[in-house]
Amino acid sequence: GAVVSQHPSRVICKSGTSVKIECRSLDFQATTMFWYRQFPKQSLMLMATSNEGSKATYEQGVEKDKFLINHASLTLSTLTVTSAHPEDSSFYICSARGSESRHTQYFGPGTRLTVL
Amino acid sequence: AQTVTQSQPEMSVQEAETVTLSCTYDTSENNYYLFWYKQPPSRQMILVIRQEAYKQQNATENRFSVNFQKAAKSFSLKISDSQLGDTAMYFCAFLYSGNTPLVFGKGTRLSVIA
Repeated sequence: GAVVSQHPSRVICKSGTSVKIECRSLDFQATTMFWYRQFPKQSLMLMATSNEGSKATYEQGVEKDKFLINHASLTLSTLTVTSAHPEDSSFYICSARGSESRHTQYFGPGTRLTVL
Repeated sequence: AQTVTQSQPEMSVQEAETVTLSCTYDTSENNYYLFWYKQPPSRQMILVIRQEAYKQQNATENRFSVNFQKAAKSFSLKISDSQLGDTAMYFCAFLYSGNTPLVFGKGTRLSVIA
């Protein structure tokens, strides 16, 4: 299957700082990328959907100004958590789907964010 | 709106035995896709199997197979010859088409016991 990488795998930051998470599709062109948040022992919660070159579509309740998403190329999307607070601590997962992937979504390994 | 229901929060199975995880969904669409993803303790989401709704034949991938009942809107996953490495959270997911996101169930935590 297709490979999606995510970096960093874990990050610890101080409250008030910004953190950027990168998501790359390594062997296919990701026309659509998705960002999820997952709390312990729960399902994935969709935060936003982004198409290459377009503004991201955020789910209800997700703050656009806090979670900045950029999908500048067909292989790279970034999620920036701005002015992070302890309640933003979570596991963030990116996912990508390409025109050749037969509607299958492939997932990155996730990023554990801890805000002190 | 589409919904996916996994009614078994937790299940366990003896090594080498067979287990079936249930999934039902609700949609008014006729063409769609269904998936089972596995999330082991590493938390990496791994595609287990996929099914196109227009295909009547049930998908199989080695020890994993599905029972797709379109009229009943049911999509169960059967794991044969269970292995310790099958211990994971299993998510059933629905996709309508195009750029729409996956709709996930709440998951079933499967433990394979030696």
